[in-house]
Amino acid sequence: AQTVTQSQPEMSVQEAETVTLSCTYDTSESDYYLFWYKQPPSRQMILVIRQEAYKQQNATENRFSVNFQKAAKSFSLKISDSQLGDAAMYFCATLSGGGADGLTFGKGTHLIIQP
Amino acid sequence: DAGVTQSPTHLIKTRGQQVTLRCSPISGHKSVSWYQQVLGQGPQFIFQYYEKEERGRGNFPDRFSARQFPNYSSELNVNALLLGDSALYLCASSLVPGGGNTIYFGEGSWLTVV
Repeated sequence: AQTVTQSQPEMSVQEAETVTLSCTYDTSESDYYLFWYKQPPSRQMILVIRQEAYKQQNATENRFSVNFQKAAKSFSLKISDSQLGDAAMYFCATLSGGGADGLTFGKGTHLIIQP
Repeated sequence: DAGVTQSPTHLIKTRGQQVTLRCSPISGHKSVSWYQQVLGQGPQFIFQYYEKEERGRGNFPDRFSARQFPNYSSELNVNALLLGDSALYLCASSLVPGGGNTIYFGEGSWLTVV
């Protein structure tokens, strides 16, 4: 079984500033993947970034980067140069390599961007 | 190319009724998964289908069932609806199962049980 914990129900950041969203997870799998998804008010889940657990290098996608600490089972998301369009719910999720158990999501962090 | 499409977008049902939700995956995707998202929570995994076979099932009662058709589209059925079944039901597709493949979500079907 896998569990994902997001300890920040809500975060607020000024436009153009940097914000970090926290996520810890637990899994018995040796082959797994970690994700951050964004869910705007439209409710469609949009993939922000993906990290293969076997890779030591932290994933980056433009203004989005992760800090993956495998031993600590920590997977935080850093958003640089925050923009108004970044306002949304952010969900951390994990998936086993085989994928048969589906994604396991945290409860989410509501990100507010202050203009 | 069209993304993952779901229908209906919104529906209201009465307790005890049955509902069928539909999902068309992205063209070429053979794996479809279903998730339930209750207000204020993250999505919870219900089913995964691949090549028309059930490959995984979450912790949901037998009132929930699903199937995948030869064209890889899928239906989720929920019988004997309860008030607690009110949620956003999300469908996701990928080329094949597994974390090595990008998983795309549809916009969901809002189910309200009254």
